[in-house]
Amino acid sequence: AQSVTQPDIHITVSEGASLELRCNYSYGATPYLFWYVQSPGQGLQLLLKYFSGDTLVQGIKGFEAEFKRSQSSFNLRKPSVHWSDAAEYFCAVGARGNYQLIWGAGTKLIIKP
Amino acid sequence: DVKVTQSSRYLVKRTGEKVFLECVQDMDHENMFWYRQDPGLGLRLIYFSYDVKMKEKGDIPEGYSVSREKKERFSLILESASTNQTSMYLCASSSSGGHYGYTFGSGTRLTVV
Repeated sequence: AQSVTQPDIHITVSEGASLELRCNYSYGATPYLFWYVQSPGQGLQLLLKYFSGDTLVQGIKGFEAEFKRSQSSFNLRKPSVHWSDAAEYFCAVGARGNYQLIWGAGTKLIIKP
Repeated sequence: DVKVTQSSRYLVKRTGEKVFLECVQDMDHENMFWYRQDPGLGLRLIYFSYDVKMKEKGDIPEGYSVSREKKERFSLILESASTNQTSMYLCASSSSGGHYGYTFGSGTRLTVV
């Protein structure tokens, strides 16, 4: 079955500390992978995406993610978080020619001052 | 700047009313989606459309219908609103290739009283 797992519902990080949000997927085809961010009361904004090539992808707001096929993972990282990064983060997987994305349940990021 | 526009940010309706949520995209995207988002339940797909006048049920279509008469517009209809339809509703669109992920609107917070 196709699925996306974000094992952490909440993560609390001190401002200035590094961040890693986990995403594991189960998908039959070669995946397209996405990370989105949702600020409170807002829609979702695309942070970054992977569909081929270099397995380390750079996104907006200083985020990056690494695709590891052997681990079926696509973890999101940031070297130093800012208070404005407090939001909910969603991982999603799709495939070429398949217009439906499968969504993770989201991870809420809390920033400690 | 390309965008998906949802007609209302906040809406309050009475039980039993017929409710229309409108979504317009200016990217000439083939695919459009309606999700609802509730705390702890993530994103749940209500309906989607891959072409004008075409629609497909998502995971939770009961109590909803949709209309897509023009490529740029996708409407969600609550035939008889109920309190359990109080939620955040998110509209999204995507191109048929799947490479670029979804573009989301800002959401409509619907309260049914």
